[in-house]
Amino acid sequence: GAVVSQHPSWVICKSGTSVKIECRSLDFQATTMFWYRQFPKQSLMLMATSNEGSKATYEQGVEKDKFLINHASLTLSTLTVTSAHPEDSSFYICSARRFGQPQHFGDGTRLSIL
Amino acid sequence: DQQVKQNSPSLSVQEGRISILNCDYTNSMFDYFLWYKKYPAEGPTFLISISSIKDKNEDGRFTVFLNKSAKHLSLHIVPSQPGDSAVYFCAASVYGGATNKLIFGTGTLLAVQP
Repeated sequence: GAVVSQHPSWVICKSGTSVKIECRSLDFQATTMFWYRQFPKQSLMLMATSNEGSKATYEQGVEKDKFLINHASLTLSTLTVTSAHPEDSSFYICSARRFGQPQHFGDGTRLSIL
Repeated sequence: DQQVKQNSPSLSVQEGRISILNCDYTNSMFDYFLWYKKYPAEGPTFLISISSIKDKNEDGRFTVFLNKSAKHLSLHIVPSQPGDSAVYFCAASVYGGATNKLIFGTGTLLAVQP
């Protein structure tokens, strides 16, 4: 149990385009979903926390207008990187949890902006 | 300010021996700790956790030890197997916090030699 699916796994696109990443909890209803970013050989850095039906809470330094998060249901959250530029290239990972349980992670999305 | 630190970026161990991965934290408000295992291009997989009311938690080959006075925790893997080769992250959270967000260490790359 506790499977989290993230799609797509790899995206390559031109600078200036917007990219949407989906995160789904397949076999449980997630009270909270999280979005992380990981640079090469570095730790996972939390970008934002989202609860179904409410606005996401962004960490300090994360531009909310740049990284749009929608948490439409208890099983789906989306992260949209708007007007992406090469510096946005990174590995983005989502996680989901139900109350009292550890976070379970998706397999991540490798985003490359040309 | 790195609140969770893994000072060893890598560790090499012979198959069958014990692997000991270490983690230090600075925030005394942390009361719940987790270890995750991560393969390249995949999301982290939850391994084991421990609450601050305990000093040891065991699950099969994995044991986590917590020393609150030293703000130190360690993960013991015995016996180590080649399939254990991966990056191991420790993470900490405030369990009673509304969002239970995790703060990750920088990771330790474990290589188990056959």
